[in-house]
Formats: sequence, C-alpha cells, structure tokens
Amino acid sequence: NAGVTQTPKFRILKIGQSMTLQCTQDMNHNYMYWYRQDPGMGLKLIYYSVGAGITDKGEVPNGYNVSRSTTEDFPLRLELAAPSQTSVYFCASSYEAGYSATIYFGEGSWLTVV
Amino acid sequence: AQKITQTQPGMFVQEKEAVTLDCTYDTSDPSYGLFWYKQPSSGEMIFLIYQGSYDQQNATEGRYSLNFQKARKSANLVISASQLGDSAMYFCAMREGGAQKLVFGQGTRLTINP
Repeated sequence: NAGVTQTPKFRILKIGQSMTLQCTQDMNHNYMYWYRQDPGMGLKLIYYSVGAGITDKGEVPNGYNVSRSTTEDFPLRLELAAPSQTSVYFCASSYEAGYSATIYFGEGSWLTVV
Repeated sequence: AQKITQTQPGMFVQEKEAVTLDCTYDTSDPSYGLFWYKQPSSGEMIFLIYQGSYDQQNATEGRYSLNFQKARKSANLVISASQLGDSAMYFCAMREGGAQKLVFGQGTRLTINP
C-alpha cells in the first residue's frame, strides 16, 4: 500500500538555494496538503489543493510555492532557502473536504538549511 | 479561532497499564471533527481515531478509544493495555466544518516502561 509518497526523505540545502519536494498519492484523493513541523511543535498548514489546477494558501505560505497539474502529484517548491525553513515537511491527502474527512500523511521530508 | 491544548508534555506509563492523554479544544463552530495521530520516532504521522461533534457515542478503534465530553470540550485518548510499541508522540487535532486546515496541539510524548 503506497498511500502518500514523499521524496526526498532527507536534504541539506545552503542558504539561497532552491529545491522541490515531491509528493504523489495513489488513493485518487482530490484534496492534498503540505504541512511543516518545527521541533517540538504540531503541524502547520503551508498550502493545500482541492483538485488539479486549484491551490490555496494555508497558515504559513511565505517562501513556498505549489502546483497541482494532476490529481496524483502536489510538489512543494522552496525558493531562496532560509534557515527558518529548516523543518520536517509532510505531504497529506484526503478523499473529501469537510470536518469528518481523515487526512493521511506521507512519511515526512527532513530539510536542513545551513 | 481554533485552538487545541495538550497539557501533558510527557507521560511515563508501565507496560500493560491503561493511559489517558488529555486534549481540550476551543471552537464556536457546531460542526467539527477531532483526530488523534501517533508519531513514532521514525517520524511518520499515523492516524489513530476520529470523533465527530455530532457523534453520540465515543469512538473506538481496537485498543484506542476517545473519551469525548462535548460540554467540557474535551477529547481524551485512552489506550488500553499499553505496549512498548506505543511509545511515541501523540497529537490531537481538530478540523472545523468547511475548513481545510487540520489544527494540531503541541503533542504529548508517551513513554512505555517495561
């Protein structure tokens, strides 16, 4: 059962570099999300998408961009990496919206900006 | 505004004992969902259990149950017969009706002692 797959698992970036975190899901979920988790904290929403071609900002979108060209894929782009972006990034998906929809997470991507 | 509070930063429990992890929430929306996730040391976020605001009975999933006290805005996770593999961070989260984001508490680190 693949579920939500993120790559890479670990990455070290230098300040000012850019990179893309890849996310794909095989559950035919319409809704996809990117969260970040800072040390000792819960997760915060960066961006989300309600379907192919539609994205919107979450709580902490600054410094990131997303696109959703297919139902399966939802990459997160970091432009001009900063130390404040050192975090664990989680991609997630759900079949539907609404308060009862369970959100399923990928295994996380550990990013360090030095 | 949404808010999730987990007041126990850490808990230590003997194997085979039951354990209760506290979660209180704050919302003015009558429609909401409450979720518990487990995050083991490997980092992934594992969905455990869900409770809807209109559900009359407490949710149960195997050894996990949710003690839902709506008037007190409390949604405590109960793990029966704890196992060494239950050692992890546990996050309570809430999603309001119509909202895209899942709001997380700061988590409780549970350690099961043999």
